[in-house]
This record gives sequence, structure tokens and C-alpha cells, in this order.
Amino acid sequence: RKEVEQDPGPFNVPEGATVAFNCTYSNSASQSFFWYRQDCRKEPKLLMSVYSSGNEDGRFTAQLNRASQYISLLIRDSKLSDSATYLCGGAGSYQLTFGKGTKLSVIP
Amino acid sequence: GAGVSQSPSNKVTEKGKDVELRCDPISGHTALYWYRQRLGQGLEFLIYFQGNSAPDKSGLPSDRFSAERTGESVSTLTIQRTQQEDSAVYLCASSFLVGRSYNSPLHFGNGTRLTVT
Repeated sequence: RKEVEQDPGPFNVPEGATVAFNCTYSNSASQSFFWYRQDCRKEPKLLMSVYSSGNEDGRFTAQLNRASQYISLLIRDSKLSDSATYLCGGAGSYQLTFGKGTKLSVIP
Repeated sequence: GAGVSQSPSNKVTEKGKDVELRCDPISGHTALYWYRQRLGQGLEFLIYFQGNSAPDKSGLPSDRFSAERTGESVSTLTIQRTQQEDSAVYLCASSFLVGRSYNSPLHFGNGTRLTVT
């Protein structure tokens, strides 16, 4: 089993829709989780850290489910500018392991 | 403040040549990482440094790859006798803190796009 797995998508959603991504991880000892956004031919940029209590930043909500070993990202009221690939990362063995990313396309 | 800086941003080289990629981390970040990303693929971990020590080199694809870091500053990734399969974007990242199961967020540089012809 890969350390971090994501549904690659693509997710094609209309503007204004709510979309959710899940990411599963295998290292039960991981303490740190993050969501990154990567635009085409650009470097990943930190979107949110994921805390055990869940956290919200505007239209974005991240949650951690330790029992089932997954993290989620919810995007409300999708904008065209949200179109990107979303990477989840989980800490393990002195590195951050990333999923392959979920591609989101928000359609007018 | 200044982010992670990588150079060159693009490198085209002939098969069999050696290349050296450079990374300047954010000042004060003790941990530095190298990842590789092939076109349309995810991030492949190569190596990380804690200070100038690299405890885990298992991610390096072959003995043609090596990396070093000076103090808690600049790192170089060297690829000897490049092959076409080495073509990818090489991303450097730094973070304030890293542990066995804990990371502070990674901050990525713009990457070096390597093309081996």
C-alpha cells in the first residue's frame, strides 16, 4: 500500500459547487498533514495545514480522521481560480510523503 | 522575506553529461529536501538534510545521483552521466523543523526543469 493515496480525478465541477477530496495515509504515527495546491508547471504551494480538530480558512475546510486514516479537503463556492491539482502530504520517516494529486477543473 | 531559490530554472543537457542543481533554502530552515516530479506525475522524494547531514539517502534513484549541503545553507544535487529518464522538474523545499513523524510545512522553490537530449 502506498503511503499516501489520492483519487487522481479529474473532478470537473461548475462554478459555485462544493467539492471534496479525500486522501488516505498508511503511517499511523504521522503527526503532520498538509494540503498543497499546484498549478500547471508551477511549484506546490501550501494551502492548509491539517489539525486533528479540523480547520477552516474561508471557503476551504480540512479535516483529519485518525481512526480511518484519511484527511479531507472541502472547497465551497468553487471559483474558476480554484482549478489546479491538490496534493496531500503526510509526515513519515523525516520526510513529507505526497499523494499524486487530485486534479480539479472548475467550469464556467 | 526571500523564499527558496533554485538555479538554474531550466537546464538542457546532452545524455552522458553531468549536471549540478543548486538550492538556497529559507534562512533559518534547518531541514532541506529534494523531490523529483516527472511530467504529469506526483512528487518523488529523493533526499533530505537535517543541517548538513543526510540521514536517509534511500530515495536517490541510482549512484549517479548525489547531494550535499553546506552547513544549514546551500545544497547541490549532482547527476552524473545523465540519462533521458532523468528529465523532470527537480524541486527543492525547506522547513523549519522535521522529526520522525512530524514536519513543519515545506516551502518549495520554483524548481529546475531538466531536459536530457
